[in-house]
Amino acid sequence: AQKITQTQPGMFVQEKEAVTLDCTYDTSDPSYGLFWYKQPSSGEMIFLIYQGSYDQQNATEGRYSLNFQKARKSANLVISASQLGDSAMYFCAMREGADGNKLVFGAGTILRVKS
Amino acid sequence: EPEVTQTPSHQVTQMGQEVILRCVPISNHLYFYWYRQILGQKVEFLVSFYNNEISEKSEIFDDQFSVERPDGSNFTLKIRSTKLEDSAMYFCASSEVIGAGKDEKLFFGSGTQLSVL
Repeated sequence: AQKITQTQPGMFVQEKEAVTLDCTYDTSDPSYGLFWYKQPSSGEMIFLIYQGSYDQQNATEGRYSLNFQKARKSANLVISASQLGDSAMYFCAMREGADGNKLVFGAGTILRVKS
Repeated sequence: EPEVTQTPSHQVTQMGQEVILRCVPISNHLYFYWYRQILGQKVEFLVSFYNNEISEKSEIFDDQFSVERPDGSNFTLKIRSTKLEDSAMYFCASSEVIGAGKDEKLFFGSGTQLSVL
């Protein structure tokens, strides 16, 4: 079974609108961390946001927020007020275990922001 | 903002040749990683390194691969005898801690695009 599932290969959003990128995960470990990374066309991987399995509040970082629904094992990324520079590939990733030290990535979602 | 630096940005090699990919992690970080991304595919974990030894490795990281921290700043990935299927973007990453909330986030370098001909 896939550990991280991103069901949207591609998404379009109008500039200044909000967009939600889906991510579901599969783990039986009570301790895990969830990450979102952005990969622009230049190729680098840019950290966006983190959610720990024990965090009570949904994570927010500026225009990024994470809609964490633990019972449904989903960790969707919400980007508010989309900008043209948000056009990129977005990866959801998970670290399992309290001392786990590797990330498992989803297949990614390509986001295109239209003007 | 501190960053992970990787050199070279592009490497072209002949099948069967050895390549060394170089990385300088962020100076106060303790955990180092290599990931790779074959064109159009997901990012895959190769190996993690802590306290001068491999802490975890994936099935991809076979005997052809090795990692080394030859001094206090560099972290290298060596592929002994490259194969066509080793062509990929190789990312180095580092983190300050593990399993400790937001501080465990990995900082990635810009990658080395390896092309094996």
